Amino acid sequence: ETGVTQSPTHLIKTRGQQVTLRCSSQSGHNTVSWYQQALGQGPQFIFQYYREEENGRGNFPPRFSGLQFPNYSSELNVNALELDDSALYLCASSLDDRGDTEAFFGQGTRLTVV
Amino acid sequence: QQQVKQSPQSLIVQKGGISIINCAYENTAFDYFPWYQQFPGKGPALLIAIRPDVSEKKEGRFTISFNKSAKQFSLHIMDSQPGDSATYFCAASTRGSARQLTFGSGTQLTVLP
Repeated sequence: ETGVTQSPTHLIKTRGQQVTLRCSSQSGHNTVSWYQQALGQGPQFIFQYYREEENGRGNFPPRFSGLQFPNYSSELNVNALELDDSALYLCASSLDDRGDTEAFFGQGTRLTVV
Repeated sequence: QQQVKQSPQSLIVQKGGISIINCAYENTAFDYFPWYQQFPGKGPALLIAIRPDVSEKKEGRFTISFNKSAKQFSLHIMDSQPGDSATYFCAASTRGSARQLTFGSGTQLTVLP
């Protein structure tokens, strides 16, 4: 186990609703990244937080937003859900923002939008 | 824009055989190339990683070969075992990008007993 935990593990939402996914980083890790993994595809980078500040963003619209808390846990919020948002959402934590350390992934949250 | 192309999409190997998965990248600013293993229902787990200052890195049965001029890198799994059956992803990131990884599309490996 990586020590990175995500909740919930599965979630079903209706198109147009809003969803919040949570991630608890490995102890001591101050950087968290979120990825979207569609079925049969590789993960796609959504954004990264370092010490509570957004530190990079992939090609995702503003309705994808995030937070990182002082204890380095994190949330991913998605507004106005679309059917194409159905995917496995992964968070990954690492020790710093310099890219020198390994990123550890959680088991993911499977989101289904109907 | 797909910046890391991975092949093959699926691979079937006999137990004890060698599994080879290839990746090619476009962005010459990439300087970190990890390989991840993912089992169903789990998140990706780091297998092995390489930086472009070396051409090969070996850890146990897993070897990365890196060709900087061709912008290609590959994963070799020696003595493949049924327990290696999983999806493998190559990835890449740039210096200072803080593990903002660009992943390939994945290879589903099946090792037959």
